Amino acid sequence: DTAVSQTPKYLVTQMGNDKSIKCEQNLGHDTMYWYKQDSKKFLKIMFSYNNKELIINETVPNRFSPKSPDKAHLNLHINSLELGDSAVYFCASSQAAGADTQYFGPGTRLTVL
Amino acid sequence: AQSVAQPEDQVNVAEGNPLTVKCTYSVSGNPYLFWYVQYPNRGLQFLLKYITGDNLVKGSYGFEAEFNKSQTSFHLKKPSALVSDSALYFCAVRDVSGGFKTIFGAGTRLFVKA
Repeated sequence: DTAVSQTPKYLVTQMGNDKSIKCEQNLGHDTMYWYKQDSKKFLKIMFSYNNKELIINETVPNRFSPKSPDKAHLNLHINSLELGDSAVYFCASSQAAGADTQYFGPGTRLTVL
Repeated sequence: AQSVAQPEDQVNVAEGNPLTVKCTYSVSGNPYLFWYVQYPNRGLQFLLKYITGDNLVKGSYGFEAEFNKSQTSFHLKKPSALVSDSALYFCAVRDVSGGFKTIFGAGTRLFVKA
C-alpha cells in the first residue's frame, strides 16, 4: 500500500515533446508538492497545492504546469521539453501546509534526449 | 529569507563509531527543522523534526538531533553508526513566521565503512 505513488518511474523522451507525470497519495493529506532534484542531488521546491489551491509557485518556466483535480492527486505537465529538464522529480504530501512532515514518492527520472 | 547549510559534502565514519552530520540554518523568526534520509533510487524519508520543546529530538533508526538556538544549528547524530546508515542526508528548515515553503540543504553523503 504505497502512500505516495508516482507514474511513470522512468521517462525518456525527445526535446520538444510534451509529457506528464502523475502523483497520487492515499494518506488523506491536504497538501501536495512537486520537487526537482538535479544531478548534484540538490532538491528544489517547484509547486505546492493545499486543498487544490496553489500556495507555492516558485520561479519555474511556464512550460511547467501543475494540476490538482482533487486533493489526492497532483499532476505535472511539461511542455516543449528541454535538455535541462532532465532530473528526478519528486512528489510529496503533508497533512497540512507548513510544519508537518512531508512524505515523498519514489521519484520519476526524466531524461530528455 | 530562510536558508540552510550543510557544510560537508561527505562524512566518512567507521562502523560502530559515533557520527555527526552538520546543519546550520538562517530564518527571520522561529524555525521548524527537519532531517530526511535518501537511499539510492528512493524518495526522501523523514527521520526527525524539531518544532518546539526539548532541544534534543529523537527520531527513527536511532538518530537524534540537537537544536541549538544560539549557534543556529541542528546537527544530526547517532552514537554507533551502521553500514546500513550509508545514504544521503538532508536538513530542512521552515520559517514559522512566513510562508509554506520548506528549504532543503544541499545534502551530505554519509559513508559508513565496515
